[in-house]
Amino acid sequence: DAGVTQSPTHLIKTRGQQVTLRCSPKSGHDTVSWYQQALGQGPQFIFQYYEEEERQRGNFPDRFSGHQFPNYSSELNVNALLLGDSALYLCASSLRGVETQYFGPGTRLLVL
Amino acid sequence: RKEVEQDPGPFNVPEGATVAFNCTYSNSASQSFFWYRQDCRKEPKLLMSVYSSGNEDGRFTAQLNRASQYISLLIRDSKLSDSATYLCVVNMDAGNMLTFGGGTRLMVKP
Repeated sequence: DAGVTQSPTHLIKTRGQQVTLRCSPKSGHDTVSWYQQALGQGPQFIFQYYEEEERQRGNFPDRFSGHQFPNYSSELNVNALLLGDSALYLCASSLRGVETQYFGPGTRLLVL
Repeated sequence: RKEVEQDPGPFNVPEGATVAFNCTYSNSASQSFFWYRQDCRKEPKLLMSVYSSGNEDGRFTAQLNRASQYISLLIRDSKLSDSATYLCVVNMDAGNMLTFGGGTRLMVKP
């Protein structure tokens, strides 16, 4: 049973560029949430997707957008990258109505 | 004030010691509560859910005090492998948006 997978594992971008991160949920899960974890801090909720729609959003600007596909996989897009976007981006999957979320290994983004 | 607050530590304890972590949350309407464990440069992993009646899983005991908006985690007989950051997590609404504390770092030494 495959767990949550994310790609790429590491990424280096420069300010102003755009990035796309990908996530495949655990088998049987239909809900994907994205979190940003800056160094030394706890993860912060970005948004959650279910049935291909954004259902909840945290306090992140519109530069952060996402998508969920019919197979439940998801993408996180960040436009106009800032140095402060450097962080570990975590994807978590769950089954709608069940609170437990399982995290993927994350994508480490460095913006220079 | 942060929504979920934890002492960042580090807590340095010898093997075999008992250690307790506390966490406070600001939203009295919060629905559910968890402790996650995060190893260095790894993803958070669910350690245990926290119930109003308290719950125990082996050497780990979690308690919830809704009146004081306070959650605790007790680790007995600490092992070297318990060294990690422990994240207090609160689901503040029914929508499954998790709010994390900043984490408490535990270092267990021989």
